[in-house]
Amino acid sequence: LAKTTQPISMDSYEGQEVNITCSHNNIATNDYITWYQQFPSQGPRFIIQGYKTKVTNEVASLFIPADRKSSTLSLPRVSLSDTAVYYCLVGDGAAGNKLTFGGGTRVLVKP
Amino acid sequence: EPEVTQTPSHQVTQMGQEVILRCVPISNHLYFYWYRQILGQKVEFLVSFYNNEISEKSEIFDDQFSVERPDGSNFTLKIRSTKLEDSAMYFCASSGLSRYSSGANVLTFGAGSRLTVL
Repeated sequence: LAKTTQPISMDSYEGQEVNITCSHNNIATNDYITWYQQFPSQGPRFIIQGYKTKVTNEVASLFIPADRKSSTLSLPRVSLSDTAVYYCLVGDGAAGNKLTFGGGTRVLVKP
Repeated sequence: EPEVTQTPSHQVTQMGQEVILRCVPISNHLYFYWYRQILGQKVEFLVSFYNNEISEKSEIFDDQFSVERPDGSNFTLKIRSTKLEDSAMYFCASSGLSRYSSGANVLTFGAGSRLTVL
């Protein structure tokens, strides 16, 4: 399983864009990159997933360079409710295989 | 939006007792999982389950733990002879992907069951 490295924490202010970069130098050909969000005392919640280039949904964008050794989650115009821990996970997507959560990035959005 | 439902939301038990945590996965999902998160620590994989069998398990998932799908809707985690260090949030998750189809696996997690062992 590819190991991921991401910042421990980030502070931001309401209305700003937050970009969290995750390094995964040993990503395998079959691996997908998935981001989850977790609020205190709640289960992780899927945000976005990608394999290469750029993926965008109603919540976030995910930028993946050609070498796929890193990825950047972009949260546009954050609000206080976006304060959470964000996890970058890399895996081959085979159903049933475990997802390994790292320490995540704790994002604090300030007023 | 379909949800994974977990009960109880909080259980307090005495050390040495057995607990059963219950989960109702999303109805058309095929794979089921248990994870746990000790307070302030990482989310840790325990076990995955498919077609009435354990698909993969971690080193944490020893003989103290067992999983079962007793009927068509419930998925349970049994913890025998609980220890203080079993105190944690236990998350159930499910995913809808067949092992034999392409694509990427996305898990839907429940809200968790908080287990407190005294």
